[in-house]
Amino acid sequence: QTVVTQEPSFSVSPGGTVTLTCGLSSGSVSTSYHPSWYQQTPGQAPRTLIYSTNTRSSGVPDRFSGSILGNKAALTITGAQADDESDYYCVLYMGSGISVFGGGTKLTVL
Amino acid sequence: EVQLVQSGAEVKKPGESLKISCKTSGYSFTSYWIGWVRQMPGKGLEWMGIIYPGDSDTRYSPSFQGQVTISADKSISTAYLQWSSLKASDTAMYYCARRRGCSGGSCWGNWFDPWGQGTLVTVSS
Repeated sequence: QTVVTQEPSFSVSPGGTVTLTCGLSSGSVSTSYHPSWYQQTPGQAPRTLIYSTNTRSSGVPDRFSGSILGNKAALTITGAQADDESDYYCVLYMGSGISVFGGGTKLTVL
Repeated sequence: EVQLVQSGAEVKKPGESLKISCKTSGYSFTSYWIGWVRQMPGKGLEWMGIIYPGDSDTRYSPSFQGQVTISADKSISTAYLQWSSLKASDTAMYYCARRRGCSGGSCWGNWFDPWGQGTLVTVSS
């Protein structure tokens, strides 16, 4: 079974820029995988940030952006704020209706 | 406003059955897939499966195939996730979410929004 990989943890300074990635255990991520990104804070349901690789969901600040970098999907936070400290998950579409979550990245802002 | 409201927390014993619900409003229930996601305590999100209420087409993650059943009732715009025999390892938060980016048999995207608030299922003897 295909594994979707994410960095387990990342740290960024307030005001800094960080790029989280979403890859495949075998192969490259392309727009055909329709990557999407979700933010989850403790005790809360996930919130949709980015879909279709680089489209921001309604109400999401423009400091969040999505792209394909090399062979991975990427979520970049530019000008990180304290309340960006959360868990971030990507989802890739595998076809035939099947989606797979990455293991998530715990982002610390300090 | 599109809303997904899930049923309340459940405490069950191993071997018992359970059906949790996700009641939707604010959109055409039969025109969008609904997905279910598991989050075990302290762990990440896991995609379980989806259902298209229009024709009850259902797809499961290989990890959950045969372990749970996803269904929907068009008359009350509600999706369900059920177990016939719970195990302690089913203890988790379960979320439903509307799948976007698909219409009929074709998809130009694949994302989940909005999400329900979650249903905590605790299985303990």
